[in-house]
Amino acid sequence: DVQLVESGGGLVQPGGSLRLSCAASGFTFSTYWMTWVRQAPGKGLEWVANIDQDGTQKYYVDSVKGRFTISRDNAKNSLYLQMNSLRAEDTAVFYCARNRLGAYDSWFDPWGQGTLVTVSS
Amino acid sequence: QSVLTQPPSVSGAPGQRVTISCTGSSSNIGTGYDVHWYQQLPGTAPKVLIYGNINRPSGVPDRFSGSKSGTSASLAITGLQADDEADYYCQSYDSSLSGVVFGGGTKLTVL
Repeated sequence: DVQLVESGGGLVQPGGSLRLSCAASGFTFSTYWMTWVRQAPGKGLEWVANIDQDGTQKYYVDSVKGRFTISRDNAKNSLYLQMNSLRAEDTAVFYCARNRLGAYDSWFDPWGQGTLVTVSS
Repeated sequence: QSVLTQPPSVSGAPGQRVTISCTGSSSNIGTGYDVHWYQQLPGTAPKVLIYGNINRPSGVPDRFSGSKSGTSASLAITGLQADDEADYYCQSYDSSLSGVVFGGGTKLTVL
């Protein structure tokens, strides 16, 4: 079965850092673009970042540029999101998802179960 | 304020038909970028319902259909069932923002 499993969420103080991981299985990870999407409590979905197959192309939503870094390790079938200078407004469930196409016209399938990041003092 | 505009809520009785609109602009849907739809049941991750404007993944009932025209798209659900109660999101790409955009989501209530 195609599966994505996120980990690394938790409680962090404002200004702190956290690294999320997403373990992929059931498909050839190295051949797909991958994406992070977040959802603040009670709110809608927000695209965060995506990365191409070999990690050379990376795109971010403006609100996280300069603070978050997306990366991947194809040998470990894993996707990462390094989050620095965290703010209260970054509090959300973070989902990793597989792109079915490239960066532009792609939909996301499947999604992981999500990992909760809470930024609070 | 989402780049793609959806009604916050829609409702219908079992067996009825409802539609959910997704209104964009010339920098996203109107440019020709595809629209995709997701269903998010309470407490779960989103699941793709419609991709490429009109296509249903295997396993999605044909009660769900998508359409696109100009700067808007729509999701139609016929034969409403109680377990269709969920949040529904549209998604596209925006060339001005150089990124993926989602609608604000629509909560479907089955009366």
